[in-house]
Order: sequence, then C-alpha cells, then structure tokens
Amino acid sequence: GENVEQHPSTLSVQEGDSAVIKCTYSDSASNYFPWYKQELGKGPQLIIDIRSNVGEKKDQRIAVTLNKTAKHFSLHITETQPEDSAVYFCAAGRPQGGSEKLVFGKGTKLTVNP
Amino acid sequence: ETGVTQTPRHLVMGMTNKKSLKCEQHLGHNAMYWYKQSAKKPLELMFVYNFKEQTENNSVPSRFSPECPNSSHLFLHLHTLQPEDSALYLCASSQHFWTGELFFGEGSRLTVL
Repeated sequence: GENVEQHPSTLSVQEGDSAVIKCTYSDSASNYFPWYKQELGKGPQLIIDIRSNVGEKKDQRIAVTLNKTAKHFSLHITETQPEDSAVYFCAAGRPQGGSEKLVFGKGTKLTVNP
Repeated sequence: ETGVTQTPRHLVMGMTNKKSLKCEQHLGHNAMYWYKQSAKKPLELMFVYNFKEQTENNSVPSRFSPECPNSSHLFLHLHTLQPEDSALYLCASSQHFWTGELFFGEGSRLTVL
C-alpha cells in the first residue's frame, strides 16, 4: 500500500519569508496529491491539490510542485503571514471512485512569527 | 458553517461508559468517513460509507461501532474504550466515494479515563 513521509515535522519562519514542506510517496500509481491546512480547533481544509498530469500548480501565495520520477511533491508558501500558522498535511492516492484511499503524512506544524 | 457538523465537540468518558459521536453533513455528499487523529501520527482512516453502505472497516476494534442511517448522518458508537483511544475523531464527507475533496468537520475531542 501507499506510504507517505512528510518533512519537516515543525517549521518556524519569520513573517514575509517563504516556507517549504516536502512529502515523498511510495506507490508510483498514485495520481492525486492534495494538501490540507488544519488550524487550531478546526478540521483539516483543502488548500490546493495537484494531479499527476501536471508538474506545478499555483494559487496566489501557495504553490505545489510534483516530481513523479522521484515520487515527491512539495508545498511552497511565499510571503508568509501569521494566519498561515497551522498544521499542514500532505496526502497521496488514486481516488477514482474505487477503493484507493488517500494516505496522509504526519503533518507539519508551521509557525509564522510576526 | 463548514457544512459538516460534529457533536459533541468534547467528550470525557470512563472505560465502562457507552457514548456516541454524531456527524451531519449539509452538502448533499454521498460518501462519509470517520478518521482518528492522534498526536504525531498520520490521520488514520477508520470507516467509510458510500450511499450509507459501509465499504471499509480499517481493522478497527469492535469497541468502535459505526452507524449510517442515511447519506447525511454518521454515528460512531463507543463502548468499553481504552485510554489509548483518547484522540480527536474527525468526520469527513465527499461528493462521491474517494473522489476529490474531503470536507472535514471540526472533530470530537475524546478523553477516556
């Protein structure tokens, strides 16, 4: 089955700096890679996702890159703000309406210092 | 309003108690999920329901018993739990079975004494 490793487990940056979180996956058949943000006391919320037919996707200050050959994908947050402080989870899977569930990483706690 | 509502938000129970967690989704989704979230561990999938039929039981102990009376409601019945079952239990839904975005509730924080 799929196995997802996520690094680092904690990340502290100064406001305005960039933050990068990296994940690796084991199943080369995985083709869907979402990122979820979990704020304190809330449930995880999807912030961006990428499918295996593209190498990069951007949404304002957030971008995700995918390297299928190396089986790793990364989340990039530019111009970080205090409200970006949260736990971020990556996931990998083949959700095509079948039985291939999403597998999550252990999470990265991001702290943005004002 | 997240679209997925979980109650109670906090629950403390003894090892011999029986309690239930409730989840309701107002999104018209067809699939619902129970996850367990423990510190420093990945989200652990427990159960999956598609059109109120259970499609997955991820080797969960029988002291956890799910119930899905319709596509909008999901319960997790708890009995004779252990202290190591203390965790945040998250409910999620998706439009279709394992397709696209998962919408999570805010979770029920369970403490087993």
